Amino acid sequence: NAGVTQTPKFQVLKTGQSMTLQCAQDMNHEYMSWYRQDPGMGLRLIHYSVGAGITDQGEVPNGYNVSRSTTEDFPLRLLSAAPSQTSVYFCASSILAGDSYEQYFGPGTRLTVT
Amino acid sequence: AQSVTQLGSHVSVSEGALVLLRCNYSSSVPPYLFWYVQYPNQGLQLLLKYTSAATLVKGINGFEAEFKKSETSFHLTKPSAHMSDAAEYFCAVRDRGSTLGRLYFGRGTQLTVWP
Repeated sequence: NAGVTQTPKFQVLKTGQSMTLQCAQDMNHEYMSWYRQDPGMGLRLIHYSVGAGITDQGEVPNGYNVSRSTTEDFPLRLLSAAPSQTSVYFCASSILAGDSYEQYFGPGTRLTVT
Repeated sequence: AQSVTQLGSHVSVSEGALVLLRCNYSSSVPPYLFWYVQYPNQGLQLLLKYTSAATLVKGINGFEAEFKKSETSFHLTKPSAHMSDAAEYFCAVRDRGSTLGRLYFGRGTQLTVWP
């Protein structure tokens, strides 16, 4: 299993540009989520999904869109990049139920918006 | 909503000293509790988790954590720090009975280990 994969690893955007961060998992997990990590702020939830066709907002959804057309993929779209979106983005996945629940994280995408 | 507090954004210890990283949660019903570690320029890796069994949980790399319901705490410890333990550590909680699978994270504690 590859686990959770994210592309690209690094990206530089100009203000106003759009782009999609890719996330895929091969563990057949129902739950997938996107976080952003900023210094001193921990991880903040952007959007999450509990299955194909079902998505919902987290703490900091503004400026981001998601969709979940398959169980495996959960792309994050930046509609019009702003410097405030400079951050490290992590995708995570997990099973949805049971005591053995834990989230598996991808390696991250480091985004800079100039 | 849940909240998770990690006391101390930075902790420094000497190699061989005790490591203690603090985590408190807010809910009245004990949640599932997790500690994750993040090494520089990497993703998060699970250290250990508390579900509903023993209150003292052992994890990887010699770390352990004790769940104390009366103190709403889940502090992470390691008897003897090693240079390779230098990393950022995150405490996270998930509500019992939640069908949404959502984790709530603390702000993280950066651990520095001095030789």
